[in-house]
Amino acid sequence: GQQVMQIPQYQHVQEGEDFTTYCNSSTTLSNIQWYKQRPGGHPVFLIQLVKSGEVKKQKRLTFQFGEAKKNSSLHITATQTTDVGTYFCAGSGNTPLVFGKGTRLSVIA
Amino acid sequence: GAVVSQHPSWVICKSGTSVKIECRSLDFQATTMFWYRQFPKQSLMLMATSNEGSKATYEQGVEKDKFLINHASLTLSTLTVTSAHPEDSSFYICSASRWSNQPQHFGDGTRLSIL
Repeated sequence: GQQVMQIPQYQHVQEGEDFTTYCNSSTTLSNIQWYKQRPGGHPVFLIQLVKSGEVKKQKRLTFQFGEAKKNSSLHITATQTTDVGTYFCAGSGNTPLVFGKGTRLSVIA
Repeated sequence: GAVVSQHPSWVICKSGTSVKIECRSLDFQATTMFWYRQFPKQSLMLMATSNEGSKATYEQGVEKDKFLINHASLTLSTLTVTSAHPEDSSFYICSASRWSNQPQHFGDGTRLSIL
């Protein structure tokens, strides 16, 4: 079945450093979604990418969808303590949305 | 918009008890609702997908007789953990979307502890 792999599993950064998490699918995706889960909270939808090669920005966050629609990345510029949490990608092809294992981001002030 | 309410937030009960968890979409109609289980510091494990008015689709390894799902309306789905045992203790989260494969909006989750 469809698998979505996400790396790294953990990332510790100093406040102000950049951060990137990568997502790879075993199959071509129709769309990819990104979610953020704060410690003790529930996942919150951030964005959806649909087009091959698509790039979207939300303030310091940049989301990319690969040309082959099998990979995606989330890049945060100049991290802040409010960025702490677990970032999940989730992709769908011919199956229901499949979540990656997430990348847990810690930001050291 | 897109608020999902999940109740209860916490449940502590004795082994053998059945527990019902409700998931409501408050300001939109959810054609599809999802039930996940999440272990500490781990990802979301999809248990089942429910579409309004039809039987839920369970993921492999999830016992349908153990985890009863009902999606009676476009705004309400329930998960009943029947005869719960300590190994069922976990964090259960529901989500709802307007239609399949569209962004999911999550409830706050239910932390279930079986003694």
